[in-house]
Amino acid sequence: DTEVTQTPKHLVMGMTNKKSLKCEQHMGHRAMYWYKQKAKKPPELMFVYSYEKLSINESVPSRFSPECPNSSLLNLHLHALQPEDSALYLCASSPRVDLNTEAFFGQGTRLTVV
Amino acid sequence: AQTVTQSQPEMSVQEAETVTLSCTYDTSESDYYLFWYKQPPSRQMILVIRQEAYKQQNATENRFSVNFQKAAKSFSLKISDSQLGDAAMYFCAYRSANTGNQFYFGTGTSLTVIP
Repeated sequence: DTEVTQTPKHLVMGMTNKKSLKCEQHMGHRAMYWYKQKAKKPPELMFVYSYEKLSINESVPSRFSPECPNSSLLNLHLHALQPEDSALYLCASSPRVDLNTEAFFGQGTRLTVV
Repeated sequence: AQTVTQSQPEMSVQEAETVTLSCTYDTSESDYYLFWYKQPPSRQMILVIRQEAYKQQNATENRFSVNFQKAAKSFSLKISDSQLGDAAMYFCAYRSANTGNQFYFGTGTSLTVIP
């Protein structure tokens, strides 16, 4: 299994809603990432987890709350989002943070905040 | 932070022809890794090719090859025998060998393949 699976593929939520994005990989990777990508722009790093511990938070607003319950699963909890948070949210994984292989990406969740 | 520059927002190529996408980067490090990722309309970022900075030999993967010029900090991607399925957004990315926590992406080049 060489896939990073993200669910849901599409999500529409109101500004008062609470929702969660899910990311799963079964490659034994110990580094997992959340990226935000606006249309026709490169991915922007949000969070990095290394061995299930948060190692990087790129000054992301607290309305985004990451969680890594185990080595295969990464969640992104969303609460009180703004319309400008609408974007493609990409999850990625790599064997280890300090092992410089490529990252494997999921297909992303297209989020629309209304 | 390292910066990665892709100066061609859009490129087009005739099917079966060859196209080269440009990428330059700015770093003071000597040890790092470079990648080209492809993002088709399906949205998934797919690794095309990678290059270790300590290797002088240019990486090749089937129809894809790079021209890595370390002194010039240049890392271009050549696609030979272009196919319709090559149409996508291409991102150049840099990853430090010392602080390899994140990838620095260029702004991307949108490639159109003309039948």
